Amino acid sequence: GAGVSQTPSNKVTEKGKYVELRCDPISGHTALYWYRQSLGQGPEFLIYFQGTGAADDSGLPNDRFFAVRPEGSVSTLKIQRTERGDSAVYLCASSLIFSGANVLTFGAGSRLTVL
Amino acid sequence: AQKVTQAQTEISVVEKEDVTLDCVYETRDTTYYLFWYKQPPSGELVFLIRRNSFDEQNEISGRYSWNFQKSTSSFNFTITASQVVDSAVYFCALRNTGNQFYFGTGTSLTVIP
Repeated sequence: GAGVSQTPSNKVTEKGKYVELRCDPISGHTALYWYRQSLGQGPEFLIYFQGTGAADDSGLPNDRFFAVRPEGSVSTLKIQRTERGDSAVYLCASSLIFSGANVLTFGAGSRLTVL
Repeated sequence: AQKVTQAQTEISVVEKEDVTLDCVYETRDTTYYLFWYKQPPSGELVFLIRRNSFDEQNEISGRYSWNFQKSTSSFNFTITASQVVDSAVYFCALRNTGNQFYFGTGTSLTVIP
């Protein structure tokens, strides 16, 4: 696609529920990143994929968070047993990592609200 | 450890004034890249500029200019003759050799007409 697409744009859920957030990167971009942005803060790194594998998942806060990218394109961020502290905007970005430029192109984000 | 500090949380200027947004970074890598992103009220982060650690030449693009000084680990961003459309949150970021991007906490710029 022309840009990075994220769905849903808004998600309201109740504490304890399971949530999936989807990211469709720019076609051909091999690298995909997930960030979390809380109000008034900068994007906080969660996980980064090169192709299908997670190259760095050191930013995932705990084992309730998991992300997959089974075919090296679309990625899904999964959050189990959501907590109120998980409320944030979840940003996805992609890049052509081997181009030398590796500039992140961001999606509009998925705003998660946990009640 | 990698770290990006944007000490200015909020700045307000009157239209047509010049404004400089500060960015200080920390890294042990000798090869790294620095970025500025703009986040308008719509929320989508927009790439503005990328510099690598070996290129300290300042850059000008229209009303925007960037001053990179390795000696002070700073990568400051100046907007000349600010306009209302410049109102946004601006983020400085560092990318290391591991391809991880580290963002500062952002500076919220308000340009008053």
